[in-house]
Amino acid sequence: AQKVTQAQTEISVVEKEDVTLDCVYETRDTTYYLFWYKQPPSGELVFLIRRNSFDEQNEISGRYSWNFQKSTSSFNFTITASQVVDSAVYFCALSEADSNYQLIWGAGTKLIIKP
Amino acid sequence: EAQVTQNPRYLITVTGKKLTVTCSQNMNHEYMSWYRQDPGLGLRQIYYSMNVEVTDKGDVPEGYKVSRKEKRNFPLILESPSPNQTSLYFCASSSPGLRVDEQFFGPGTRLTVL
Repeated sequence: AQKVTQAQTEISVVEKEDVTLDCVYETRDTTYYLFWYKQPPSGELVFLIRRNSFDEQNEISGRYSWNFQKSTSSFNFTITASQVVDSAVYFCALSEADSNYQLIWGAGTKLIIKP
Repeated sequence: EAQVTQNPRYLITVTGKKLTVTCSQNMNHEYMSWYRQDPGLGLRQIYYSMNVEVTDKGDVPEGYKVSRKEKRNFPLILESPSPNQTSLYFCASSSPGLRVDEQFFGPGTRLTVL
């Protein structure tokens, strides 16, 4: 069974719109971590955020915000007032204590921001 | 500058011709890992190493070999590449004292096997 599901394969919005990328995870572990990475067209992986299973506080960093909800096993990522430079593939990932914290990745969501 | 380097960045080769993709980190990290990235599948782990001379299979190890003779280097070896190994490959390393998931990634190697 897929442990990290990013159901949105591709999202296209017009610049300045808000956009939310969904991430649903599956784990039986009580100790785990969730991540978001950005992969711009240049191909490198850029770390965005890490959140542990004991901290459900939402996080805001500039135009980026993350909503962690254990009740729905989701860790969604919202970009407010999107910009063309936000165009990238975004990956959600999970690491579990039971798996020695190896990273398990979602399939990624390709975000296209049109000018 | 702290970094993970991979070489080559781009490689086109033919079926069956042995190749090595090098990975080196200058951060004295104990943990190193190789991933491949394919469209619609995200990143999948090929092999990882918790320390020198210690390597373990990841999710998709078939057709690959690795070695960890020195802490800084973790080469990925394809003894007889096949077209289904055409992919984007990432090397990663993790700082000692932190858990393996806080990883630094190399820039990627795009491999095409004809």
